[in-house]
This record gives sequence, structure tokens and C-alpha cells, in this order.
Amino acid sequence: GQQLNQSPQSMFIQEGEDVSMNCTSSSIFNTWLWYKQDPGEGPVLLIALYKAGELTSNGRLTAQFGITRKDSFLNISASIPSDVGIYFCAGPTGGGADGLTFGKGTHLIIQP
Amino acid sequence: DADVTQTPRNRITKTGKRIMLECSQTKGHDRMYWYRQDPGLGLRLIYYSFDVKDINKGEISDGYSVSRQAQAKFSLSLESAIPNQTALYFCATSDGSGNTIYFGEGSWLTVV
Repeated sequence: GQQLNQSPQSMFIQEGEDVSMNCTSSSIFNTWLWYKQDPGEGPVLLIALYKAGELTSNGRLTAQFGITRKDSFLNISASIPSDVGIYFCAGPTGGGADGLTFGKGTHLIIQP
Repeated sequence: DADVTQTPRNRITKTGKRIMLECSQTKGHDRMYWYRQDPGLGLRLIYYSFDVKDINKGEISDGYSVSRQAQAKFSLSLESAIPNQTALYFCATSDGSGNTIYFGEGSWLTVV
């Protein structure tokens, strides 16, 4: 089945630093989604990408849909303490008919 | 109030016991899902349903069963719980596109 490889697995950064994480797939996706999970909560959608090459921002977050349609990137600028959490990439399984396939997540930890 | 509500939020049960996790949603979505989250493994799909008469197995359905009692309700059952089913379980919903999924707050299940 489809697999998403997300890296890095975890990141330890200082407040104010920029963050970059990425996700690659063994197959083409028509949609890329980025979710964030706060401790003790369910994942919440941050950004949705629907077109190869698309670059979309949501505040300090910017995500890009790779032109090969097999990868996506998420950047966070000027990190703040509330950015702590687990970030997941996801793409529709079976063209969207079978739910979403998730990456294993990037755990972001911000050191004061 | 949350759009996707899960009960119980936390449960400890013994090996061999039957346990049911319930989910209700007020988003009016037809599609509902049950995911399991384990550290380092991300979110894996257990079962999904596109309407009351439609039930489909996901990636890791063995040891689980589901019931779609109404459009707004989707329950997950462990007929005979085992310790490796200890995990965080999420119910989720989506609209007809299936591309964007909305998660509940999760149910922590511990099997001892």
C-alpha cells in the first residue's frame, strides 16, 4: 500500500528558529495535507494542497506540494512555544475513497 | 461543543474483556473513520464507513469490529481485548470528498 516517509522524526530547536520538515511518498498523491496534534488532542488540519507546485501559507506556516507529486514540505518561521506538537503529513488513500494515509509524524520540541 | 465526540476519553480494561468506544458527530458528514495511534507509528486506519449500510476494513482491522448505528454514530468494539491493543484511538469524519478529515479528541485505552 501507499506509504509516507516523514522526516525528521523529531526536532529540538530554540524558540525563534525556523523549522523545516518534509514528507515523501512511493506513489503520486493528488492532495497533500498537513496536520498538527497538540498533546492530549486529536490532529487538526493546518494546510491542504491540491495542485503540484502549489505553495500555501497559513500564518507562520508555509507548505508546498512538490512538482513530482511525491513529496511535500512544511516550514514554520520564527517558532514559538505553542508550535510544540506532532506534525503529520497525509494523503488520500485510494484516490480519497479509503480515507487518509498518514506519515509517522515529526515531533517538534522547543527549548526555551 | 466538539463536532466529533468520543466516549469514554480514558478506559482501563482487563485482557479478555469486551470494550466499546463510541463516537458521535454533529458535522453532518457521511464518512466516518476509526484510527489507532501508537508512538512512532503514526495513525493507522482500523475501519471506515461511507454511510449507515457501508462498512469497510482498514489497514489493521483484525481484533476489532464496528457498528454504524446512524449517520452520526460510529462505534468501535474490541470483542476480547489484548494488551497490544493499548493505544490512543481516534474517531474522524469527512465530507464526500474524503480529502479533509476532522478528528475527535481521542480515547485512551489501556489493556492490562
